[in-house]
Amino acid sequence: QKEVEQDPGPLSVPEGAIVSLNCTYSNSAFQYFMWYRQYSRKGPELLMYTYSSGNKEDGRFTAQVDKSSKYISLFIRDSQPSDSATYLCAMRKRYGQNFVFGPGTRLSVLP
Amino acid sequence: EAGVAQSPRYKIIEKRQSVAFWCNPISGHATLYWYQQILGQGPKLLIQFQNNGVVDDSQLPKDRFSAERLKGVDSTLKIQPAKLEDSAVYLCASSKTGEPEAFFGQGTRLTVV
Repeated sequence: QKEVEQDPGPLSVPEGAIVSLNCTYSNSAFQYFMWYRQYSRKGPELLMYTYSSGNKEDGRFTAQVDKSSKYISLFIRDSQPSDSATYLCAMRKRYGQNFVFGPGTRLSVLP
Repeated sequence: EAGVAQSPRYKIIEKRQSVAFWCNPISGHATLYWYQQILGQGPKLLIQFQNNGVVDDSQLPKDRFSAERLKGVDSTLKIQPAKLEDSAVYLCASSKTGEPEAFFGQGTRLTVV
C-alpha cells in the first residue's frame, strides 16, 4: 500500500461546478497537510495548508482533514477554466521532515 | 520576494553522460529539498538539506546521484552517469525554519536519450 493515495483522474467538470479532490493516507503520524496546484510544465504552487484535523477556507478553496479516517479533501467552489491543473496533496509528520506527495489528480474545468 | 530559482529549465543528454542542475532557494530559507517527479507521478524526495548539512538522503541513488550545498545557500544536483529512467523533472524547494510550507521552483526537465 502506498503511503499517500489519490485518484489520478482525469476529472472533467463544467465551469461553475463544485469540485471535490481527495487523498487517503496510511501513516497516522502525519500532522501537516498541504494542497499544491501544478500547471503543465510548471513547479507545484502551494494552495492551502492545514495542521491536524479541521477545516480551512481561503476564497473559493476549502481544505478538510479527518485524521480519524486518514482522509483529506480539497473543495473548489465556482470552478473556473483557470483551475485546470494537477492537484497534489502532500503531508509531513513534523517540522523539519520531508513531504510525502500523492500522485496528483488532473482536473479539467470546461467552459 | 523572489522565488526559488532553478537552471537550466530543460536539458537533453545521452545515456551515460553527466548533467548538473542548480538551485537558489528563497532568501533566508534554511531547508532545501531536491525532488524527482516522473511523468504522471507526485514528486519524490531525493535529498533534504538543513543549511549545508544533509538531513535525509535515504532515497538518493548514491551510485550515480550527488548533491551539495556548500555554503548553505544554493545547491547543485549531479547525475553521473545518466540512465534512461532518470528522465524526469527535477524540482528544488525551500522552506523557512519553523514554518511548515515548502515553495517550489519551476523545475528542470531532463530527457535522457
